[in-house]
Amino acid sequence: SQTIHQWPATLVQPVGSPLSLECTVEGTSNPNLYWYRQAAGRGLQLLFYSVGIGQISSEVPQNLSASRPQDRQFILSSKKLLLSDSGFYLCAWSAGQRETQYFGPGTRLLVL
Amino acid sequence: KQEVTQIPAALSVPEGENLVLNCSFTDSAIYNLQWFRQDPGKGLTSLLLIQSSQREQTSGRLNASLDKSSGRSTLYIAASQPGDSATYLCAALSGTYKYIFGTGTRLKVLA
Repeated sequence: SQTIHQWPATLVQPVGSPLSLECTVEGTSNPNLYWYRQAAGRGLQLLFYSVGIGQISSEVPQNLSASRPQDRQFILSSKKLLLSDSGFYLCAWSAGQRETQYFGPGTRLLVL
Repeated sequence: KQEVTQIPAALSVPEGENLVLNCSFTDSAIYNLQWFRQDPGKGLTSLLLIQSSQREQTSGRLNASLDKSSGRSTLYIAASQPGDSATYLCAALSGTYKYIFGTGTRLKVLA
């Protein structure tokens, strides 16, 4: 069966510090991968998606970036965090474009 | 631009009651619509996915319907239980890969 992991579960970072969140998927190959952010009181916002290694599409201009160094690994990064980057970050995968999306447990990021 | 709305934002019901959660979307040209459950501080769990060619999907006590022409989907929960308490989110896929999410309905089932 497929599983999706995210770490860390919780992170508290000062403004201006770098960020690296990791997501890995097990039990499938060549998944579509997604990064979402859920801010308090707001819906989920798609940040990045990837259909293959090295293929990243950005949905929202911001100081975040994403990379996919391996087939089942998706990394969300920032060089300098802003207060507005605080939120709940969720990684998801799907087998194809219009298939069910399966979400990881999320990372709660607090930027102080 | 697709917009997804969920009403009500919060709902409290006594245990055993049948209930309906509503989801509306502005652009009827969707590929599918998905319902999720989110427990506090947790990720999303997929409940049901309805393809654009389908009218409804069922899983246990859950039934989701889709009416593209009116831009609406409903999630019906039969015989609600305290364990059903969570936030329910709907998401419409109308772009290439992009799901547009509603802000959710926070459900509390009282024992």
